[in-house]
Order: sequence, then C-alpha cells, then structure tokens
Amino acid sequence: EVQLVESGGDLVQPGGSLRLSCATSGFTFSDSWMSWVRQAPGKGLQWVANIKHDGSEKYYVDSVEDRFTISRDNTKKSLYLQMNSLRAEDTAVYYCARFRGQGWFDSWGQGTLVTVSS
Amino acid sequence: DIVMTQSPDSLAVSLGERATINCKSSQSVLYSSNSKNYLAWYQQKPGQPPKLLIYWASTRESGVPDRFSGSGSGTDFTLTISSLQAEDVAVYYCQQYYGTRFTFGQGTKLEIK
Repeated sequence: EVQLVESGGDLVQPGGSLRLSCATSGFTFSDSWMSWVRQAPGKGLQWVANIKHDGSEKYYVDSVEDRFTISRDNTKKSLYLQMNSLRAEDTAVYYCARFRGQGWFDSWGQGTLVTVSS
Repeated sequence: DIVMTQSPDSLAVSLGERATINCKSSQSVLYSSNSKNYLAWYQQKPGQPPKLLIYWASTRESGVPDRFSGSGSGTDFTLTISSLQAEDVAVYYCQQYYGTRFTFGQGTKLEIK
C-alpha cells in the first residue's frame, strides 16, 4: 500500500523559514516523480513544485520560485520542501503527492498545515 | 500558464440523477503527437486529500465506480456522474498536466438537492 506522510508544518512569522518532509513507503520511490500541492484554508488546490525521480529536474509555480526548494533523498525514500521568505499567502495545507504518467497525482498524503502569521 | 475554469462553481442534484461538471482550459491540452488530452479529474471530500478519478481526460482510475466518466478534447472537458449517490457529495477539480507547470480548476462543489 502506498503511504505518504507529511510533517513539519507549523506557525511561522512572515519572512521566516520552514522545512516540510514527506516520508514514503509502499512503492519504488526512486522511480517516481514527486510533487507538492497546497490548499489555502477554504480554497482550491494549487500545484507548487515537481521533482524528477533522480532530482535532476525541478519545476515550481511562479509565486514560490526563488523562495521554495524541492528536494529528495532516495536512500531515505523522502521528499522535502524548504520554504524561505514565507508570506501570509503561503498559509495552506501542503500535500505530498506521487506524480504518475505525464503528470496526474495518484497518491496523496494527509497534508501538513503551514500558518504564516505574526 | 494555462488557466483552468470550471463551471458551475456549485451544483445541487437529486439522488439518482445525472451530474455534469465542465472544465475549460485557456489553451489546448491536446498533445498532437500522441492525440492525448493532458487532463485529470479529482474528488475531494471534507477533511480528506484529493482522490484521483480520471486521467487522459477519459481513463478511469482503478477502483473508481463506472458511474464516473470523463469526456472532451482540446479545451473543453466534462466530468459526468451518471447516477448521483450520497457518497459523491464532494468538491471536484480538473487539472491540466500539459508541459512542466500544472494548474487546477477552482473546484465545483456538488451537493444533494
């Protein structure tokens, strides 16, 4: 069974930093593209970033480019999101998702809440 | 970026009746080299992560009931629930994966009339 478990969400002040983690099991992590998708409270879904199975390609939504960094450790079967210069509009539940085929998300974690507020 | 627009924003349908949700992309998501539409549909119930229903615009994910179907091509797509069940109450999202930056529609909230 595919499992994705996010952690690291917290309350942080504007301008602060946070690192999210996603521990995975039940599939060959090193063969899979992975993604982060976020959802602001009461709002819709927003794709945040993708990373290729070997980490050689990374893509970001414009609003987080230069502030967020997606990374992975295939030996630990884990995905990460380093978030710097956080803004109030980054407040959301952040989901780790497995990317299949050309870009649909077939497995999701339960999410971790990031709140940016003073 | 490709903008995805769903309609309606909310929908109320009687049990057993058909529900139809539309999704329009700001540019075609049909890839000419393989004739595939790079579009997926998801269902999200309160307090839960999204669940994949359909990819390639019309291919049902394993385990998804056959009352769910997807259709359309190019820029206009439809998710149809042929006979609404109580457990189908949720928010539905379309998503394009054409290229390297993905976008979702704003969501359609489906309720029972």
